[in-house]
Amino acid sequence: DIQMTQSPSSLSASIGDRVTITCRASQSVSRFLNWYQQKPGKPPKLLIYDASTLQNGVPSRFSGSGSGTDFTLTISSLQPEDLATYYCQQSYSSLTWTFGQGTRVEAK
Amino acid sequence: EVQLVESGGGLVQPGGSLRLSCAASGFIFRSYWMSWVRQAPGKGLEWVAKIKQDGSERSYVDSVRGRFTISRDNPKNSLYLQLNSLTAEDTAVYYCARVMGSGWYDHFDSWGQGTLVSVSS
Repeated sequence: DIQMTQSPSSLSASIGDRVTITCRASQSVSRFLNWYQQKPGKPPKLLIYDASTLQNGVPSRFSGSGSGTDFTLTISSLQPEDLATYYCQQSYSSLTWTFGQGTRVEAK
Repeated sequence: EVQLVESGGGLVQPGGSLRLSCAASGFIFRSYWMSWVRQAPGKGLEWVAKIKQDGSERSYVDSVRGRFTISRDNPKNSLYLQLNSLTAEDTAVYYCARVMGSGWYDHFDSWGQGTLVSVSS
């Protein structure tokens, strides 16, 4: 199975900061990589698919990049409503899909 | 508007069974792969199972294969997850999710609110 590893597991940032989260796959997943945001007590929300395509309605301060095994989610200017946990997920394997362990973004 | 509403969760003893349901509305249910994703208390997301539009293909995470069964009833716009031989490690919120992509850059674009399954004696 393909393993997904996110770093860091948590981070503290100030409002307005540029935030970067990394996701690494145990083998190439091409661009079959998605990013989700989850707030406490809520279901996840799709942010980015196809490694860099922004889901409709998601603010443009979110962006994704990468291919193969290394991917990045960037928030260009952190807003209060962005405080949440972020997950990457691969859909490259036709049989099993996997999530990263999550990155919690907190206010400094 | 896409709506996914899960039901069927609850408290069950180890070794017991439960059947989760997901009622879908606001889209052509039979046109989409569907999936279940779970989240143990305080933990991350874990993909559990997926099923093709006509039910002809299904796949599972290793930890539930042979114990859980995903199914669907397209005329009823419903997705199901039969959970058997439950253990404490299956305690989680179970989310129903729509899969967008049909095998090409698949992603979960809509989620239900989840239903909690607690396995305890």
